[in-house]
Amino acid sequence: SQTIHQWPATLVQPVGSPLSLECTVEGTSNPNLYWYRQAAGRGLQLLFYSVGIGQISSEVPQNLSASRPQDRQFILSSKKLLLSDSGFYLCAWSGLRQGGYTFGSGTRLTVV
Amino acid sequence: KNQVEQSPQSLIILEGKNCTLQCNYTVSPFSNLRWYKQDTGRGPVSLTIMTFSENTKSNGRYTATLDADTKQSSLHITASQLSDSASYICVVRGSGYSTLTFGKGTMLLVSP
Repeated sequence: SQTIHQWPATLVQPVGSPLSLECTVEGTSNPNLYWYRQAAGRGLQLLFYSVGIGQISSEVPQNLSASRPQDRQFILSSKKLLLSDSGFYLCAWSGLRQGGYTFGSGTRLTVV
Repeated sequence: KNQVEQSPQSLIILEGKNCTLQCNYTVSPFSNLRWYKQDTGRGPVSLTIMTFSENTKSNGRYTATLDADTKQSSLHITASQLSDSASYICVVRGSGYSTLTFGKGTMLLVSP
């Protein structure tokens, strides 16, 4: 069966520090991968999606970047965090046979 | 513009009672509609997925309906339990990788 892992679960980082959130998928190959951010009281906002290794599409220009170094690995990064980067970050995947998305357990990022 | 509107924004019911959550969408073209349950601090978990031709789909005590003509969906929860307390998110998928539109969710609190 397919599983998705996302870590860390919580993270407190100072302003200006770098960020690296990792997401991996098991049990499938060539998944579509996504990074979302969920702000309090708002819906999920798509940040990046990837249809293959090295292929990244950005939906919202901002202080973040994404990379896909391996087929089932998706990384969300920042060189210098801003206070406004605080939020709940979710990784998700979808496949050819899936009609929807499966989400990871999320990372609560607090920038202080 | 693709939009998904959910109502009510929040709801408090007594344990054992039934409730119905609403979702109206303007996503076009329409591919499918999913209801997710998101516990606090966790990633969303899929409850049901419905395509254009499906009117009703059940998952235990959860029953989703879809009226593709009026572009409305509902999620009915029967005999609510304390563990049903969560945010319920309606997600409509259009065509393409990034056309997934999220509602802001309904926060349900089941009280003893």
